[in-house]
Amino acid sequence: NAGVTQTPKFQVLKTGQSMTLQCAQDMNHNSMYWYRQDPGMGLRLIYYSASEGTTDKGEVPNGYNVSRLNKREFSLRLESAAPSQTSVYFCASRGGETQYFGPGTRLLVL
Amino acid sequence: KQEVTQIPAALSVPEGENLVLNCSFTDSAIYNLQWFRQDPGKGLTSLLLIQSSQREQTSGRLNASLDKSSGRSTLYIAASQPGDSATYLCALTRSARQLTFGSGTQLTVLP
Repeated sequence: NAGVTQTPKFQVLKTGQSMTLQCAQDMNHNSMYWYRQDPGMGLRLIYYSASEGTTDKGEVPNGYNVSRLNKREFSLRLESAAPSQTSVYFCASRGGETQYFGPGTRLLVL
Repeated sequence: KQEVTQIPAALSVPEGENLVLNCSFTDSAIYNLQWFRQDPGKGLTSLLLIQSSQREQTSGRLNASLDKSSGRSTLYIAASQPGDSATYLCALTRSARQLTFGSGTQLTVLP
């Protein structure tokens, strides 16, 4: 039982490049989330998915797209990376009232 | 818009001290409040969850309280240990089960 896994752990991009952050959970949870964490600002919700086939915007969705591929997987895509998207990205899934977090992806956009 | 504030941003205490971390919020219409622990370079781990109808929750040396009327929650850590060193975040759940996080308190427990 791996919980929530994220790949890659670390990525460096140049401005304008695209990439997809992968997330998978093996706890059979319906709801999944993507957050970004910036220094001094806590975690902010980018997108979430209440169930397979549905996605909704969170607090800071601009510049991102998501895909809920199946119940296990929820990916986050940056189509044209910008330096302002330098951050640590966390994926989470919800079981009951508790959210379970992955280890994060550190993204640096030059 | 819900605002969640955690003060202080950083706290350093000697081992063995009892300590209190604070969390304040502006909107009392919440489902629950959670406290998380984050170790450097790692994800978040849920410590305690208090439902909106509850006043407190306890787990081992940790006790979390919730006062919706005053918009405050506290996390009490008894007999602190160096292994308690981490960043502690509070988060509120409102509708659609979305979490709103505070910016965290970085705790250092000195041996």
